[in-house]
Amino acid sequence: DTGVSQDPRHKITKRGQNVTFRCDPISEHNRLYWYRQTLGQGPEFLTYFQNEAQLEKSRLLSDRFSAERPKGSFSTLEIQRTEQGDSAMYLCASSLGGPSYEQYFGPGTRLTVT
Amino acid sequence: AQSVTQLGSHVSVSEGALVLLRCNYSSSVPPYLFWYVQYPNQGLQLLLKYTSAATLVKGINGFEAEFKKSETSFHLTKPSAHMSDAAEYFCAVSSYQGGKLIFGQGTELSVKP
Repeated sequence: DTGVSQDPRHKITKRGQNVTFRCDPISEHNRLYWYRQTLGQGPEFLTYFQNEAQLEKSRLLSDRFSAERPKGSFSTLEIQRTEQGDSAMYLCASSLGGPSYEQYFGPGTRLTVT
Repeated sequence: AQSVTQLGSHVSVSEGALVLLRCNYSSSVPPYLFWYVQYPNQGLQLLLKYTSAATLVKGINGFEAEFKKSETSFHLTKPSAHMSDAAEYFCAVSSYQGGKLIFGQGTELSVKP
Protein backbone atom coordinates (compact mmCIF):
# COMPACT_ATOMS: atom_id res chain seq x y z
CA ASP A 1 0.00 0.00 0.00
CA THR A 2 1.82 3.04 -1.26
CA GLY A 3 -1.02 5.48 -0.61
CA VAL A 4 -2.70 7.88 -2.98
CA SER A 5 -0.34 9.77 -5.24
CA GLN A 6 -0.93 12.91 -7.28
CA ASP A 7 1.07 14.49 -10.04
CA PRO A 8 2.23 17.19 -10.34
CA ARG A 9 2.44 18.56 -6.80
CA HIS A 10 2.58 22.13 -8.05
CA LYS A 11 1.47 23.71 -11.29
CA ILE A 12 1.80 27.34 -12.35
CA THR A 13 0.01 28.27 -15.54
CA LYS A 14 -1.11 31.35 -17.37
CA ARG A 15 -4.74 32.25 -17.67
CA GLY A 16 -6.33 30.59 -20.67
CA GLN A 17 -4.05 27.56 -20.71
CA ASN A 18 -5.23 23.99 -20.21
CA VAL A 19 -3.92 21.86 -17.36
CA THR A 20 -4.25 18.18 -16.48
CA PHE A 21 -3.72 16.53 -13.13
CA ARG A 22 -3.29 12.84 -12.42
CA CYS A 23 -4.33 10.79 -9.41
CA ASP A 24 -3.27 7.22 -8.66
CA PRO A 25 -5.48 5.71 -5.95
CA ILE A 26 -4.74 2.85 -3.60
CA SER A 27 -4.82 -0.18 -5.88
CA GLU A 28 -7.77 -2.10 -4.45
CA HIS A 29 -9.98 0.97 -3.98
CA ASN A 30 -12.90 1.16 -6.38
CA ARG A 31 -14.02 4.67 -5.47
CA LEU A 32 -12.11 7.79 -6.40
CA TYR A 33 -13.05 11.34 -5.41
CA TRP A 34 -11.84 14.79 -6.46
CA TYR A 35 -12.09 17.81 -4.16
CA ARG A 36 -10.98 21.43 -4.41
CA GLN A 37 -9.67 23.40 -1.47
CA THR A 38 -9.06 27.15 -1.34
CA LEU A 39 -7.14 28.96 1.36
CA GLY A 40 -8.84 28.89 4.72
CA GLN A 41 -11.67 26.65 3.56
CA GLY A 42 -12.56 23.01 3.86
CA PRO A 43 -12.34 20.83 0.77
CA GLU A 44 -15.33 20.98 -1.58
CA PHE A 45 -16.51 17.96 -3.52
CA LEU A 46 -16.08 18.05 -7.30
CA THR A 47 -16.80 14.57 -8.64
CA TYR A 48 -16.42 10.87 -7.94
CA PHE A 49 -16.01 7.57 -9.75
CA GLN A 50 -16.95 4.04 -8.91
CA ASN A 51 -14.60 1.98 -11.00
CA GLU A 52 -14.65 3.71 -14.39
CA ALA A 53 -18.13 5.22 -14.05
CA GLN A 54 -18.43 8.88 -13.10
CA LEU A 55 -21.48 8.83 -10.83
CA GLU A 56 -21.76 12.39 -9.54
CA LYS A 57 -20.55 15.84 -10.50
CA SER A 58 -20.85 18.93 -8.35
CA ARG A 59 -22.39 22.13 -9.66
CA LEU A 60 -18.95 23.58 -8.92
CA LEU A 61 -17.65 21.61 -11.87
CA SER A 62 -18.18 23.94 -14.80
CA ASP A 63 -18.03 22.84 -18.43
CA ARG A 64 -14.34 23.72 -18.43
CA PHE A 65 -13.65 20.84 -16.06
CA SER A 66 -13.59 17.21 -17.11
CA ALA A 67 -12.53 14.10 -15.28
CA GLU A 68 -11.89 10.57 -16.44
CA ARG A 69 -11.00 7.22 -14.98
CA PRO A 70 -10.69 5.16 -18.12
CA LYS A 71 -9.73 1.75 -16.75
CA GLY A 72 -10.99 2.14 -13.23
CA SER A 73 -7.50 2.76 -11.94
CA PHE A 74 -5.86 6.20 -12.22
CA SER A 75 -7.89 9.33 -12.89
CA THR A 76 -7.23 12.62 -14.63
CA LEU A 77 -8.78 16.02 -14.02
CA GLU A 78 -8.48 18.53 -16.85
CA ILE A 79 -9.24 22.22 -16.64
CA GLN A 80 -9.59 24.03 -19.96
CA ARG A 81 -9.10 27.77 -20.42
CA THR A 82 -7.96 28.28 -16.85
CA GLU A 83 -9.10 31.33 -14.91
CA GLN A 84 -7.55 32.96 -11.86
CA GLY A 85 -10.45 31.69 -9.80
CA ASP A 86 -9.31 28.14 -10.52
CA SER A 87 -6.26 28.67 -8.30
CA ALA A 88 -6.63 26.16 -5.49
CA MET A 89 -5.40 22.87 -4.09
CA TYR A 90 -6.91 19.92 -5.94
CA LEU A 91 -7.19 16.85 -3.75
CA CYS A 92 -7.81 13.28 -4.77
CA ALA A 93 -9.05 10.58 -2.42
CA SER A 94 -9.89 6.91 -2.74
CA SER A 95 -11.91 4.43 -0.70
CA LEU A 96 -12.99 0.81 -0.64
CA GLY A 97 -16.67 1.58 -0.69
CA GLY A 98 -19.51 3.89 0.17
CA PRO A 99 -20.42 6.36 2.91
CA SER A 100 -19.10 4.43 5.93
CA TYR A 101 -15.65 3.88 4.48
CA GLU A 102 -12.87 6.32 5.17
CA GLN A 103 -11.31 8.18 2.27
CA TYR A 104 -7.55 8.25 1.91
CA PHE A 105 -6.24 11.50 0.52
CA GLY A 106 -3.29 12.24 -1.71
CA PRO A 107 -0.91 15.17 -1.10
CA GLY A 108 -2.78 17.38 -3.54
CA THR A 109 -1.86 19.43 -6.59
CA ARG A 110 -1.53 23.16 -5.97
CA LEU A 111 -2.59 25.14 -9.02
CA THR A 112 -1.66 28.78 -9.45
CA VAL A 113 -3.14 30.64 -12.40
CA THR A 114 -1.34 33.89 -13.21
CA ALA B 1 -29.27 18.29 3.18
CA GLN B 2 -26.32 17.34 5.32
CA SER B 3 -23.93 19.94 6.69
CA VAL B 4 -21.22 20.46 9.25
CA THR B 5 -20.39 23.51 11.34
CA GLN B 6 -17.11 23.91 13.16
CA LEU B 7 -17.23 26.48 15.92
CA GLY B 8 -14.06 28.54 16.13
CA SER B 9 -11.80 28.97 13.13
CA HIS B 10 -8.79 29.21 15.40
CA VAL B 11 -8.07 27.60 18.77
CA SER B 12 -4.92 28.20 20.79
CA VAL B 13 -3.87 26.04 23.75
CA SER B 14 -0.76 25.63 25.84
CA GLU B 15 1.31 22.49 25.58
CA GLY B 16 -0.10 19.92 27.99
CA ALA B 17 -3.55 21.52 28.09
CA LEU B 18 -6.84 19.97 27.00
CA VAL B 19 -7.71 20.26 23.33
CA LEU B 20 -11.38 20.68 22.45
CA LEU B 21 -12.44 21.27 18.85
CA ARG B 22 -16.16 21.65 18.25
CA CYS B 23 -18.22 20.17 15.45
CA ASN B 24 -21.99 20.17 14.99
CA TYR B 25 -23.72 18.37 12.18
CA SER B 26 -27.06 18.45 10.44
CA SER B 27 -28.44 15.27 8.94
CA SER B 28 -31.89 13.82 8.43
CA VAL B 29 -30.49 10.29 8.61
CA PRO B 30 -28.01 8.71 11.02
CA PRO B 31 -24.70 10.25 9.98
CA TYR B 32 -21.25 8.89 9.34
CA LEU B 33 -18.81 11.42 10.80
CA PHE B 34 -15.09 11.89 10.37
CA TRP B 35 -12.29 14.03 11.73
CA TYR B 36 -9.30 14.72 9.50
CA VAL B 37 -6.06 16.61 10.18
CA GLN B 38 -4.11 18.58 7.60
CA TYR B 39 -0.54 19.73 8.03
CA PRO B 40 0.73 22.61 5.85
CA ASN B 41 0.93 21.80 2.15
CA GLN B 42 -0.18 18.23 2.71
CA GLY B 43 -3.27 16.14 2.12
CA LEU B 44 -5.73 15.12 4.79
CA GLN B 45 -5.10 12.32 7.27
CA LEU B 46 -7.92 10.49 9.00
CA LEU B 47 -7.95 10.87 12.80
CA LEU B 48 -11.10 8.91 13.55
CA LYS B 49 -14.57 8.04 12.31
CA TYR B 50 -18.03 7.36 13.70
CA THR B 51 -20.17 4.80 11.90
CA SER B 52 -22.93 4.08 14.45
CA ALA B 53 -21.08 1.63 16.65
CA ALA B 54 -19.67 3.01 19.91
CA THR B 55 -20.51 6.66 20.59
CA LEU B 56 -17.04 7.31 22.00
CA VAL B 57 -14.53 6.88 19.22
CA LYS B 58 -10.80 6.67 19.78
CA GLY B 59 -8.42 7.72 17.04
CA ILE B 60 -4.77 8.14 16.36
CA ASN B 61 -2.33 10.36 18.28
CA GLY B 62 -4.44 10.28 21.45
CA PHE B 63 -7.49 11.98 19.96
CA GLU B 64 -11.04 10.89 20.63
CA ALA B 65 -14.52 12.15 19.80
CA GLU B 66 -17.96 11.56 21.26
CA PHE B 67 -21.09 11.32 19.15
CA LYS B 68 -24.03 13.00 20.89
CA LYS B 69 -27.23 12.64 18.93
CA SER B 70 -29.25 14.86 21.26
CA GLU B 71 -26.80 17.71 20.72
CA THR B 72 -26.00 16.85 17.08
CA SER B 73 -22.36 17.15 18.02
CA PHE B 74 -19.13 15.28 17.40
CA HIS B 75 -16.48 17.23 19.29
CA LEU B 76 -12.82 16.24 19.11
CA THR B 77 -10.74 16.12 22.28
CA LYS B 78 -7.24 15.28 23.45
CA PRO B 79 -6.30 15.36 27.13
CA SER B 80 -2.85 16.86 26.68
CA ALA B 81 -1.73 18.92 23.69
CA HIS B 82 1.64 18.41 22.10
CA MET B 83 3.50 20.86 19.89
CA SER B 84 3.17 18.41 16.99
CA ASP B 85 -0.65 18.71 17.18
CA ALA B 86 -0.50 22.16 15.62
CA ALA B 87 -2.39 21.79 12.33
CA GLU B 88 -5.76 22.36 10.63
CA TYR B 89 -8.56 20.05 11.70
CA PHE B 90 -11.64 19.27 9.63
CA CYS B 91 -14.88 17.65 10.64
CA ALA B 92 -16.85 15.98 7.84
CA VAL B 93 -20.10 14.12 7.30
CA SER B 94 -20.39 11.49 4.61
CA SER B 95 -23.26 11.83 2.21
CA TYR B 96 -25.50 8.81 1.88
CA GLN B 97 -25.64 9.66 -1.81
CA GLY B 98 -22.34 8.37 -3.05
CA GLY B 99 -20.27 8.87 0.04
CA LYS B 100 -18.83 12.27 -0.81
CA LEU B 101 -17.52 14.10 2.22
CA ILE B 102 -19.07 17.40 3.27
CA PHE B 103 -16.50 19.33 5.28
CA GLY B 104 -16.69 22.07 7.84
CA GLN B 105 -14.65 25.23 7.47
CA GLY B 106 -11.83 23.87 9.56
CA THR B 107 -10.25 24.83 12.87
CA GLU B 108 -6.62 25.83 13.06
CA LEU B 109 -5.03 24.57 16.27
CA SER B 110 -2.02 26.42 17.68
CA VAL B 111 -0.02 24.98 20.57
CA LYS B 112 2.03 27.36 22.70
CA PRO B 113 5.11 26.13 24.56
